[in-house]
Amino acid sequence: GAVVSQHPSRVICKSGTSVKIECRSLDFQATTMFWYRQFPKKSLMLMATSNEGSKATYEQGVEKDKFLINHASLTLSTLTVTSAHPEDSSFYICSASPFLAFEETQYFGPGTRLLVL
Amino acid sequence: AQSVTQLGSHVSVSEGALVLLRCNYSSSVPPYLFWYVQYPNQGLQLLLKYTSAATLVKGINGFEAEFKKSETSFHLTKPSAHMSDAAEYFCAVSGSGGYNKLIFGAGTRLAVHP
Repeated sequence: GAVVSQHPSRVICKSGTSVKIECRSLDFQATTMFWYRQFPKKSLMLMATSNEGSKATYEQGVEKDKFLINHASLTLSTLTVTSAHPEDSSFYICSASPFLAFEETQYFGPGTRLLVL
Repeated sequence: AQSVTQLGSHVSVSEGALVLLRCNYSSSVPPYLFWYVQYPNQGLQLLLKYTSAATLVKGINGFEAEFKKSETSFHLTKPSAHMSDAAEYFCAVSGSGGYNKLIFGAGTRLAVHP
């Protein structure tokens, strides 16, 4: 149980294009999903908290217009990197918390590696 | 405010030896604490978590961690290392009380040699 998937697992795109990454909770409903970015050999940095049916909450320093987050259902959140540039190349990981009282655990997706040429 | 410090970015042990990965936290509220493992090019897998119940927490793959409030520590241990334990390990803290964001430590890379 508690499986989170991400699609695509790897994506290569040209500079200036937009890329959409999907995060799905496969066997549970998640009112809250999180998006992280991980640089090589570094820890995870929280980018934003995504709440179903409302606007995402972005961490300080994260550009809202560049990293668009949509959480349209209890099992799906999407991250769109708009007008991608080489510096956006990174490993993006999502996580989800089950819609259960006192359930604190975040379950992580396998990650999406983005390379912008 | 919350923070996590993992002492030692790299730890190397022999197969069969004790594994000890250190984690200290800072939290202004009762913390929930987690250890995650990450294999290359993969997401994070939960090893174990402390959520204010028993202070000694047992997780998967033979790992366990002990919450010590007086030392603000949550060190991860395993009595006997296996080659398959080689990975990156992250300690994380969140505030108790629902859907709080995780704050991660910098990570510790565990190498296991024959």
